[in-house]
Amino acid sequence: AQTVTQSQPEMSVQEAETVTLSCTYDTSENNYYLFWYKQPPSRQMILVIRQEAYKQQNATENRFSVNFQKAAKSFSLKISDSQLGDTAMYFCAFYSNYQLIWGAGTKLIIKP
Amino acid sequence: GAGVSQSPSNKVTEKGKDVELRCDPISGHTALYWYRQSLGQGLEFLIYFQGNSAPDKSGLPSDRFSAERTGGSVSTLTIQRTQQEDSAVYLCASITPYYGYTFGSGTRLTVV
Repeated sequence: AQTVTQSQPEMSVQEAETVTLSCTYDTSENNYYLFWYKQPPSRQMILVIRQEAYKQQNATENRFSVNFQKAAKSFSLKISDSQLGDTAMYFCAFYSNYQLIWGAGTKLIIKP
Repeated sequence: GAGVSQSPSNKVTEKGKDVELRCDPISGHTALYWYRQSLGQGLEFLIYFQGNSAPDKSGLPSDRFSAERTGGSVSTLTIQRTQQEDSAVYLCASITPYYGYTFGSGTRLTVV
């Protein structure tokens, strides 16, 4: 069975610091996608970044980047120069063959 | 439409009443999911529609829950004889593999 594990239930950092959220997954698939979603208190799920498994290059979106280690089945999210607006729940998700598996989420708090 | 639209955004109902939650997905997206998110929790898969195929209902928690999708577009999630444990945010998402999931803003259901 495919699983996604986020081992950090909650994290907090000071504004402007860099923070890394961890995500590991388990699958026997070779072709899949990985996502990080952000859910602020407004509860809207917002796509932060996506990674195709066949791509070796790590995805980046402005202050957000991932460290994708396919062999280790690891997909961590790095947020640089963190901002107060980054405070939210962050969910890692694995997608393959129209099946989406979610991690339990990490609550990230950015302190002023 | 440009995004996934859900209605109502909030619903308060008395225990034992039936409720209907509506999702209007992105035009042209053939795959549609319903998820449930209890307070502070991750996403719980409920049901998945893909084109004209039979829906994957494996996540529905009881036979009080049902969903339909008319004309391959709008979907309605129905909960009969609501219970207090049904209180949650119900999220709808449509998906293409490239863009990932696009979520609606959810319906917050409160059963009193």
